[in-house]
Amino acid sequence: KNQVEQSPQSLIILEGKNCTLQCNYTVSPFSNLRWYKQDTGRGPVSLTIMTFSENTKSNGRYTATLDADTKQSSLHITASQLSDSASYICVVSAGNAGNMLTFGGGTRLMVKP
Amino acid sequence: EADIYQTPRYLVIGTGKKITLECSQTMGHDKMYWYQQDPGMELHLIHYSYGVNSTEKGDLSSESTVSRIRTEHFPLTLESARPSHTSQYLCASSLRGGEETQYFGPGTRLLVL
Repeated sequence: KNQVEQSPQSLIILEGKNCTLQCNYTVSPFSNLRWYKQDTGRGPVSLTIMTFSENTKSNGRYTATLDADTKQSSLHITASQLSDSASYICVVSAGNAGNMLTFGGGTRLMVKP
Repeated sequence: EADIYQTPRYLVIGTGKKITLECSQTMGHDKMYWYQQDPGMELHLIHYSYGVNSTEKGDLSSESTVSRIRTEHFPLTLESARPSHTSQYLCASSLRGGEETQYFGPGTRLLVL
């Protein structure tokens, strides 16, 4: 069964600090991995997308890494801001006919002043 | 900002009522999706569509139904709402599928009393 596990479930950090969120997956065959940011009460917004051949991708202060061998990804947030407070969801796409997505449970990040 | 809209944003209704959640997108995307998300939990796909006159059931069984008469419109209907239907419903669309990023609407928060 395809699964995506994220850790930690929740995280509190001080404004200006860095943090790293983890994602482990068992989706097969692998097509791509996305990180989404979901503000409370809103729909998710895509931050990064990585295919099998990519091992790092940045979007401003967000940097995602992918290790396809160990089936792990991380999202690193640099110099956190209050507006980074949100849920961060790891989503893996299977490379089959349906191309269905498997969603992780998300990491709830709270950035405090 | 994605051009995908959902109405209503919030809905409180009594048990047994028929409701329709609206979703429309102006991006010309072929594929559209409905997800159900309980607070703090992961998204679950309940319906999707490859295009006009195409509807498919997702991973999570749902008593709701959908229709796709026009490319831009993908409404979700509950014939008789129950308290167990209380949740957030998120609509999304993508240009095609697979590697294409899904763009999410703001969601509809449904409370059935």
